[in-house]
Formats: sequence, C-alpha cells, structure tokens
Amino acid sequence: KNQVEQSPQSLIILEGKNCTLQCNYTVSPFSNLRWYKQDTGRGPVSLTIMTFSENTKSNGRYTATLDADTKQSSLHITASQLSDSASYICVVSASSNYKLTFGKGTLLTVNP
Amino acid sequence: DVKVTQSSRYLVKRTGEKVFLECVQDMDHENMFWYRQDPGLGLRLIYFSYDVKMKEKGDIPEGYSVSREKKERFSLILESASTNQTSMYLCASSLPGQGYEQYFGPGTRLTVT
Repeated sequence: KNQVEQSPQSLIILEGKNCTLQCNYTVSPFSNLRWYKQDTGRGPVSLTIMTFSENTKSNGRYTATLDADTKQSSLHITASQLSDSASYICVVSASSNYKLTFGKGTLLTVNP
Repeated sequence: DVKVTQSSRYLVKRTGEKVFLECVQDMDHENMFWYRQDPGLGLRLIYFSYDVKMKEKGDIPEGYSVSREKKERFSLILESASTNQTSMYLCASSLPGQGYEQYFGPGTRLTVT
C-alpha cells in the first residue's frame, strides 16, 4: 500500500531559526514528490515538485531534498518568519496513475 | 495567474439535505479533483474528472456524486447530507499527466447538523 509518513507531527520554533521537516514514502512506482504549504483554513499551495533525478530544489527560503534510494525527502526552512506558520504536506505521485498520496502534514508554529 | 474558486467558504446544512459544492478553474485544465480533509487523516480523493462528462471514483466516493458539464466547472453533490460528511472540501485542477502541478481552491468548510 502506498504511504507517506511525515515527522514531526508538529513543531514550534522561534522566528529567525531554521528547521527541517521529514518525509518518508513507500509509493511505487515513483513519479514525483511535492511539498505544499497550507495556511489555516486555506487550500494547499505548492512549494516544490521534484522528479526522480532531482536531489535538491529551492524556492526562496525553502529547500527540498530528495533521496530516491532511501525514499526520503526533507524540507528545510531558513530564517523562519511568522508567516511560515502553517501545515506542510508531503505528497507523492505514482507513475502508474493520476492519484496522489498525501502525508498528514507537519504543523509548524513560528513564535516571535 | 492560476485560479481555482469554490462557491462557498463556509456552509451549514441539515441532515438529509441535498448539497451542491461548485468549483471553477480558469486555466483550461483537463483534470479536476474533489478532496476532503479531516484532522489526522490528511487529504483523501473523492472523485476525479479527466474531461467533460468523464469521472472516476477516488478512494472515498460513497455518499457523493459529481458533475462536469463544462470544462471549467466541477460540482460535488451530497445526495443526502449526513453528519459524518462534515469536513473541509478542497477542489483542485491540473493539466493531464504525472508531472503537472495540482492547483487547489480555498476550500469549503461544510458543517452538517
């Protein structure tokens, strides 16, 4: 069964600090991995999308890494801001169909 | 700029009512999706449409139906709303194929009392 596990479930950091969120997946055959940011009460917004051949992808202060051999990904947030407070969802696409497998998300709170 | 809109942000309905949730996208995307999101469960796919009048069941289609009469519009129908359908409903759209982004709407928080 395709699964995506994220850790930690929740995280509290101080403004200006860095943090790293983890994602492990067992989706096969793998097509791509996406990280979404979801503000409370809003729809998810894409941060990055990575294919099998990509190890690292950046979007401003967000940097995602992918290790397709170990089936792990991480999202690193640099110099956090209050506006980074949100749920971050790891999503994996299988090449065999259109369906996405969603992680349950990591809830990040950035405090002043 | 990409835009997916949903007809209501918040909706309160009574048990047994027929409920329509509307989604419109302005990107000429072939694919449209309906998800529900519940705490601790993440997003789950209800229905998917890959063309006008075409649909496929997702992981949790029971109690729901969909309609896609025009390319830009995808409707989710709760034939007889029940309290266990209280949830956040998210619509998304994308181009066809595996590598394309899914763009989400703002969501509709439905409460069934």
